[in-house]
Amino acid sequence: DADVTQTPRNRITKTGKRIMLECSQTKGHDRMYWYRQDPGLGLRLIYYSFDVKDINKGEISDGYSVSRQAQAKFSLSLESAIPNQTALYFCATSDRPGRSTFSTDTQYFGPGTRLTVL
Amino acid sequence: GQSLEQPSEVTAVEGAIVQINCTYQTSGFYGLSWYQQHDGGAPTFLSYNALDGLEETGRFSSFLSRSDSYGYLLLQELQMKDSASYFCAVIQAGTALIFGKGTTLSVSS
Repeated sequence: DADVTQTPRNRITKTGKRIMLECSQTKGHDRMYWYRQDPGLGLRLIYYSFDVKDINKGEISDGYSVSRQAQAKFSLSLESAIPNQTALYFCATSDRPGRSTFSTDTQYFGPGTRLTVL
Repeated sequence: GQSLEQPSEVTAVEGAIVQINCTYQTSGFYGLSWYQQHDGGAPTFLSYNALDGLEETGRFSSFLSRSDSYGYLLLQELQMKDSASYFCAVIQAGTALIFGKGTTLSVSS
């Protein structure tokens, strides 16, 4: 079984709809992340969580919200989807503990969710 | 502010050597990582440099110069399967990894 899973893998929705993307991990990592990827723009950070009670906004958090239900689960919501939120969304975990200052920060990505907003 | 610069595209032929450069501006720098992503797939970790110098892992090597805020990924004996996007990423204190926009490597026969 994959260490980081995302559901759904593909989703088509309409403008104004609320949608939730879910991420689960079995790696036992504290840190979890949500990124979106658009052609030519690389991976842009939406939200990140150092642990269940420590959630932070990334560079493009507007229009998104998150919930860290447990160490293993981190969900991303689009409250009212708009077409420019059409993108490939990745969840990731990392092996850096909580807010530690360890230098290593290897990220493990889920397979991605391709979201289309019409 | 924070920024990472890497070339958008690189082309090479099978068997060649290619170098993908990355320059960065950031505070609280801990190290530089590299990730590979095949078209539409999940990015995967390749290498990490915390100290100056060269780290070698098989056909791939990564270099860091902290004084120059510069690093590179070196791919040797290129194979068709190396065609992918490559991202540098900066590890910082107290916050999340910051990724560059990626370099698309095309390997031809």
